[in-house]
Amino acid sequence: DVKVTQSSRYLVKRTGEKVFLECVQDMDHENMFWYRQDPGLGLRLIYFSYDVKMKEKGDIPEGYSVSREKKERFSLILESASTNQTSMYLCASSRQHAYEQYFGPGTRLTVT
Amino acid sequence: AQSVAQPEDQVNVAEGNPLTVKCTYSVSGNPYLFWYVQYPNRGLQFLLKYITGDNLVKGSYGFEAEFNKSQTSFHLKKPSALVSDSALYFCAVRDRYSSASKIIFGSGTRLSIRP
Repeated sequence: DVKVTQSSRYLVKRTGEKVFLECVQDMDHENMFWYRQDPGLGLRLIYFSYDVKMKEKGDIPEGYSVSREKKERFSLILESASTNQTSMYLCASSRQHAYEQYFGPGTRLTVT
Repeated sequence: AQSVAQPEDQVNVAEGNPLTVKCTYSVSGNPYLFWYVQYPNRGLQFLLKYITGDNLVKGSYGFEAEFNKSQTSFHLKKPSALVSDSALYFCAVRDRYSSASKIIFGSGTRLSIRP
C-alpha cells in the first residue's frame, strides 16, 4: 500500500512564526502536491513538484514556499504565518504518468 | 478553463436505499474524471476514475460512476447505501493533455446515511 505521512496532525502557531509542514511518501512517486482544504472551497493547489528540486506554483502560492531535496520528502513552509492561513493542509503523491493521487492524513493548522 | 461542480452540499439517504452524488464538469478537451472520499479527520482516499473505455466505472466499496459525455456528468452511485458510507465526497477533473498539477477538485458533497 502507498503510504503518505505528514509530520503533524494538529499544529497551533502564532502569527509571524515560520512554520514547516513535512510530507513523506514511501512509494518512489515522482509527483508530490500540497493542497489546502477549506469548507465549501474544496481543495486548492498550493505547490506541485514533479522531481527533486523542481516545483511549480499552484493556484494559491502566496505566503508559501516549498522544498524538495529528496524524492520522498516534500516540505511546505509558511514564511510568516498569518491567521488567514488557518486551514487543513493535505499532501499527496502520484506516479509521473499515473492518474490518481494518494493523500496523507492532513495537518490541521491553527494560527492565532 | 476547467471547472467541476458538485451541486449538492449534502445528500441524505436511508440505509439500504440507492444513493447518487452528482458531479458535472467542464474541460476544453477530453476529461479524466475521479472520485475521492474523505472520512472524518482523514486524508482523501481514491475511489474510482474514468480515463477511457467503458462509460460505467466500478470502484472501491461497491461504488460506481457513469461518464456521460453529452451531459458532461460523472455521477457517483451505489445500489444500497451503508451507514459507513457517510463521508465527504469529492469529484475531480483534468484535461487529458494537461499536467498532473492541473486537476481541479469540486467543493465536496457530504453524504449522510441514516440507519
